[in-house]
Amino acid sequence: QVQLQESGPGLVKPSETLSLTCAVSGYSISSGYYWGWIRQPPGKGLEWIGSIYHSGSTYYNPSLKSRVTISVDTSKNQFSLKLSSVTAADTAVYYCARPSLAAAFENWGQGTLVTVSS
Amino acid sequence: EIVMTQSPATLSVSPGERATLSCRASQSVSSNLAWYQQKPGQAPRLLIYGASTRATGIPARFSGSGSGTEFTLTISSLQSEDFAVYYCQQYNNWPRMYTFGQGTKLEIK
Repeated sequence: QVQLQESGPGLVKPSETLSLTCAVSGYSISSGYYWGWIRQPPGKGLEWIGSIYHSGSTYYNPSLKSRVTISVDTSKNQFSLKLSSVTAADTAVYYCARPSLAAAFENWGQGTLVTVSS
Repeated sequence: EIVMTQSPATLSVSPGERATLSCRASQSVSSNLAWYQQKPGQAPRLLIYGASTRATGIPARFSGSGSGTEFTLTISSLQSEDFAVYYCQQYNNWPRMYTFGQGTKLEIK
């Protein structure tokens, strides 16, 4: 059974870069799927950030595209998120997720709260 | 960009009764529509994909319908564990774009 686990700093200063990693177990990233990052500000709804294929092909939410980089490391079976020039508006729980064959996100990590504050 | 609008924002229903949640897309998404359930402090859980197909392990009291721009999630007889926030999501242009609705909070009446 596939499991995803986010990790990274819980506190980031304004204007700096947020960096998170999603470690995948129970499934090889190289086997397929577009792996995704989704975030949720406290008390608010869900926002898709972007997705990556094991080949490195990426798609980003246009609203974040200028600040987002998603990368994959198949040797470590993990993928990562970088969000630059963060502000308080980027404070959120960040989830990594894998879609099912039908493209909806079936498997999710537990999420990690990242707070942007000086 | 496709905008997803859910209604109502909050729905109060008594246990054992039926709940009907709506989701509207600003343009057609065919049947590329999913529903998620989220409880406090937890990640979202996939309930329905393809507008009407239940995900693995989802009870039969959850059903989805609709296509194009109008979608409905129905919970036939509410159990205590069903009170949560529900999100719809379109993936008509995946993996290039996914959009979520703003959520409907289902609360106990």
